[in-house]
Amino acid sequence: TQLLEQSPQFLSIQEGENLTVYCNSSSVFSSLQWYRQEPGEGPVLLVTVVTGGEVKKLKRLTFQFGDARKDSSLHITAAQPGDTGLYLCAGARSGNTPLVFGKGTRLSVIA
Amino acid sequence: GAGVSQSPSNKVTEKGKDVELRCDPISGHTALYWYRQRLGQGLEFLIYFQGNSAPDKSGLPSDRFSAERTGESVSTLTIQRTQQEDSAVYLCASSLYGGVEQFFGPGTRLTVL
Repeated sequence: TQLLEQSPQFLSIQEGENLTVYCNSSSVFSSLQWYRQEPGEGPVLLVTVVTGGEVKKLKRLTFQFGDARKDSSLHITAAQPGDTGLYLCAGARSGNTPLVFGKGTRLSVIA
Repeated sequence: GAGVSQSPSNKVTEKGKDVELRCDPISGHTALYWYRQRLGQGLEFLIYFQGNSAPDKSGLPSDRFSAERTGESVSTLTIQRTQQEDSAVYLCASSLYGGVEQFFGPGTRLTVL
């Protein structure tokens, strides 16, 4: 089974700090997705990156796909308590194939 | 434009009983996926349906697990003779034909006593 390794597993920071979450694999993926999941809910899609080296910005969140399409990162600037949640990366080999998920990074932003 | 819905939201059952979990995908989405999320773990693929093609069952952990889907509509995941290790959140997702983006339902939390 191809795995995605996420780090760190847990992160507790103060409001206003910056943070980066990493997602690494030895396998190449055609696309990579980032989800955020809150307790009692399903994962909600944040972004999809498909091109090696691609950078996408969503307000204070910056997503990067590695040149070799084996890794990705999520950077949050000036974190806020509303950013608290479980962040999951997921890789796809192609369209309409099961996603391979990392174990997630549980982020807690303290006011 | 309703999202993916799942029922029940919670299910508590006794070891050895059978359970059925239901998923209603987004209208027009031909692909439907079932995943399992154990406490503190990422999502684990179980089974995938695409239109009228034979399903990809490669993720089912044992023959106690099965799933059906009629056309491009509702799917049911059945777990027979439940065991305590089956306790998890079962998540359903759907996507457009050829799409990489999957949209998830809220999940069913299964507890086997």
